[in-house]
Amino acid sequence: QKEVEQNSGPLSVPEGAIASLNCTYSDRGSQSFFWYRQYSGKSPELIMFIYSNGDKEDGRFTAQLNKASQYVSLLIRDSQPSDSATYLCAVGSSASKIIFGSGTRLSIRP
Amino acid sequence: SAVISQKPSRDICQRGTSLTIQCQVDSQVTMMFWYRQQPGQSLTLIATANQGSEATYESGFVIDKFPISRPNLTFSTLTVSNMSPEDSSIYLCSVVTSGGSWEQYFGPGTRLTVT
Repeated sequence: QKEVEQNSGPLSVPEGAIASLNCTYSDRGSQSFFWYRQYSGKSPELIMFIYSNGDKEDGRFTAQLNKASQYVSLLIRDSQPSDSATYLCAVGSSASKIIFGSGTRLSIRP
Repeated sequence: SAVISQKPSRDICQRGTSLTIQCQVDSQVTMMFWYRQQPGQSLTLIATANQGSEATYESGFVIDKFPISRPNLTFSTLTVSNMSPEDSSIYLCSVVTSGGSWEQYFGPGTRLTVT
């Protein structure tokens, strides 16, 4: 079992809809959770982080964390073509390391 | 956050040669890391660059092949030694800023092609 799992996609969402990206992790001792956006040919950009159970909202982005289910998600409301990118989930493990998932490719269709 | 620069941004090198990549941060940071990312793949951690001591390498990476220096809290280098075409990749410097959080930021990357 991979430490951090994401569906590779591509996930295709119509413009204006909600894009939902999911991530599961195996280390129950994990305390910090991150979402990165990576455009083709660019380096990853940190867009959200969450440390507590529940929801955290920042503009059109909402991160959701459920530690009991070992599940973290990212919702993107009012999806725009500029949101088309690969989204990487990252988890701060109990071993003080950050483990990255393999990423989900998101495509917003006009 | 932190502003991170890397040099060079890209290079084409011949097999058997070595390339040193520099990473400069605009503020002191607690941790610096080096990653590799091959096209269409996720990030692979090469090592943690430790200030004033030897780097901590991940499984599959060794100091002879990827020597790392970190002379202070704002600068690190990664050398890719005795290169082969399999070393063609994007190399990314990453930092965790001070303050107890684990928010990690990435430099713009160095695109290396080995011919």
